[in-house]
Amino acid sequence: AQSVTQPDIHITVSEGASLELRCNYSYGATPYLFWYVQSPGQGLQLLLKYFSGDTLVQGIKGFEAEFKRSQSSFNLRKPSVHWSDAAEYFCAVGDTGRRALTFGSGTRLQVQP
Amino acid sequence: NAGVTQTPKFRVLKTGQSMTLLCAQDMNHEYMYWYRQDPGMGLRLIHYSVGEGTTAKGEVPDGYNVSRLKKQNFLLGLESAAPSQTSVYFCASRPQGPREQYFGPGTRLTVT
Repeated sequence: AQSVTQPDIHITVSEGASLELRCNYSYGATPYLFWYVQSPGQGLQLLLKYFSGDTLVQGIKGFEAEFKRSQSSFNLRKPSVHWSDAAEYFCAVGDTGRRALTFGSGTRLQVQP
Repeated sequence: NAGVTQTPKFRVLKTGQSMTLLCAQDMNHEYMYWYRQDPGMGLRLIHYSVGEGTTAKGEVPDGYNVSRLKKQNFLLGLESAAPSQTSVYFCASRPQGPREQYFGPGTRLTVT
């Protein structure tokens, strides 16, 4: 069965600092990988996705993620965090059968002024 | 184009009561999903549908039923609500092919 691990439950960074959120997945084939962001009381918004091709993918709001097959990782990065980035971030892997998503437990990002 | 909408946004039920959550999408998507979100657990798949008239169980289907009589609607039913079903419920849809899922705004359900 597929699974996603987000090792960091809570991260605090200063505004303007760089950010990396970790994601490790377990899946038997080439995965479809996603990062979603959820602001308090809101739904989920897609930040970026990986299906195939270039392993460095660019997303919205200045985020990027790199797929590393050898490490089974899909870490999310941003060079300079803004206060509006404070939210919860979910990594997910999609299976090719049901096309359903398996989510990690999320990382809550707090941004200090 | 409203995307994915969910009705209601909030609901409080007493143990043993029943209710139906409605998900509607106007994007002509084939696939639809119901997830529940609980603190510290991410989102977990309850049921899903790969097309009109078809449904299948996800990881946590017990206590829930679903129906997809029309392509644009996916209903989630709780026949006899339990406090363990207190959660935030999200509906999602996606088209065929390698594409992302589009999520609704969620329904916050409390069972007392």
